[in-house]
Amino acid sequence: KAGVTQTPRYLIKTRGQQVTLSCSPISGHRSVSWYQQTPGQGLQFLFEYFSETQRNKGNFPGRFSGRQFSNSRSEMNVSTLELGDSALYLCASSLVQEVQETQYFGPGTRLLVL
Amino acid sequence: KNQVEQSPQSLIILEGKNCTLQCNYTVSPFSNLRWYKQDTGRGPVSLTIMTFSENTKSNGRYTATLDADTKQSSLHITASQLSDSASYICVVTLRGGYNKLIFGAGTRLAVHP
Repeated sequence: KAGVTQTPRYLIKTRGQQVTLSCSPISGHRSVSWYQQTPGQGLQFLFEYFSETQRNKGNFPGRFSGRQFSNSRSEMNVSTLELGDSALYLCASSLVQEVQETQYFGPGTRLLVL
Repeated sequence: KNQVEQSPQSLIILEGKNCTLQCNYTVSPFSNLRWYKQDTGRGPVSLTIMTFSENTKSNGRYTATLDADTKQSSLHITASQLSDSASYICVVTLRGGYNKLIFGAGTRLAVHP
């Protein structure tokens, strides 16, 4: 079974631009979560989708948004990019929306904002 | 304030040696505690998940312990291998959902031949 895939793997943008990242979960998984990882802050939860609905949201500004499609694929959008948005963005999927469930992470998208 | 603190920040050991990583948390109400391994440039991989009632859980050469009374967890690696070189992240989940995940900063382990 294929793992979680994320595209693109690397991205360079300039301040003020917007970016869309994509995540394809493991086949059959319906829950997709997004995380931001930076050297200074570590891993931080962005949001979680289950069956096309955002069920949980972390403490990030409204510039960060996402959505999930009927095939469980998810996209994350960051508008008006800031230098501090440079980070590794990780997507994780799980079978159901239970916090006991094991999450499977993708390789991440490394975003550099200049 | 809900926090997860890991120690040491970094660790160097020789191949074949054992090591123990620590995780202390001040999180309430507690749901479960997870240990992840993250290789450089890769996403984290789940090693163990423990609920309040579990004291020990093993995954091959990795053994995690949990003391819910003292709010401490440890990850013991036996007979280390070069492939164990990675960051190990402790994550505590509050009851209530994915937005209640509290991440530790991780311990960076380097195994030298």
